[in-house]
Amino acid sequence: NAGVTQTPKFRVLKTGQSMTLLCAQDMNHEYMYWYRQDPGMGLRLIHYSVGEGTTAKGEVPDGYNVSRLKKQNFLLGLESAAPSQTSVYFCASSYPGTGATEAFFGQGTRLTVV
Amino acid sequence: RKEVEQDPGPFNVPEGATVAFNCTYSNSASQSFFWYRQDCRKEPKLLMSVYSSGNEDGRFTAQLNRASQYISLLIRDSKLSDSATYLCVVNTASGTYKYIFGTGTRLKVLA
Repeated sequence: NAGVTQTPKFRVLKTGQSMTLLCAQDMNHEYMYWYRQDPGMGLRLIHYSVGEGTTAKGEVPDGYNVSRLKKQNFLLGLESAAPSQTSVYFCASSYPGTGATEAFFGQGTRLTVV
Repeated sequence: RKEVEQDPGPFNVPEGATVAFNCTYSNSASQSFFWYRQDCRKEPKLLMSVYSSGNEDGRFTAQLNRASQYISLLIRDSKLSDSATYLCVVNTASGTYKYIFGTGTRLKVLA
């Protein structure tokens, strides 16, 4: 029962390098999200998607791009990494509903930009 | 003012103690409420949803006070394994993307 899977789990980048984080979910969820978590800041929404082929900006989108070509996958790209992007990144997914619908999280990606 | 506010703690309590956390939210249109647990360097996991009438799951009790715009989490008979950070999460419209996270309250249960 995989749920939400993120790859890679750890990465060190040099300033200016690019990389893509992959998130995959097997729960047929419509909504997917990318968050970053920094000490004392809580989880902040970077980008989100409400369905295949759609993406939208969250609270802190600058420096990131996303794509959702397939319903089960949500990719987060860093085109030119900066030290300020050192963080723990979490992907999450949820399904639309009228009641309390929880978000399910991946295991996280620890990114260090030097 | 933050949309969701929590006391960061840490709350240091002995095993067997009862401990309570509060969380306040600013948006009166908030509709869904959750407590998540996050262990060090791990992903957040749902502890329990919070319903209007309050709800209980074993040693854990959650309450919602819409008039004062806060939710609470009560943990009875604390275990060492309860040591974690507890995140308050508010959804401003049920079933949509607007999950707002508190920064978390850290709990340490001491032997």
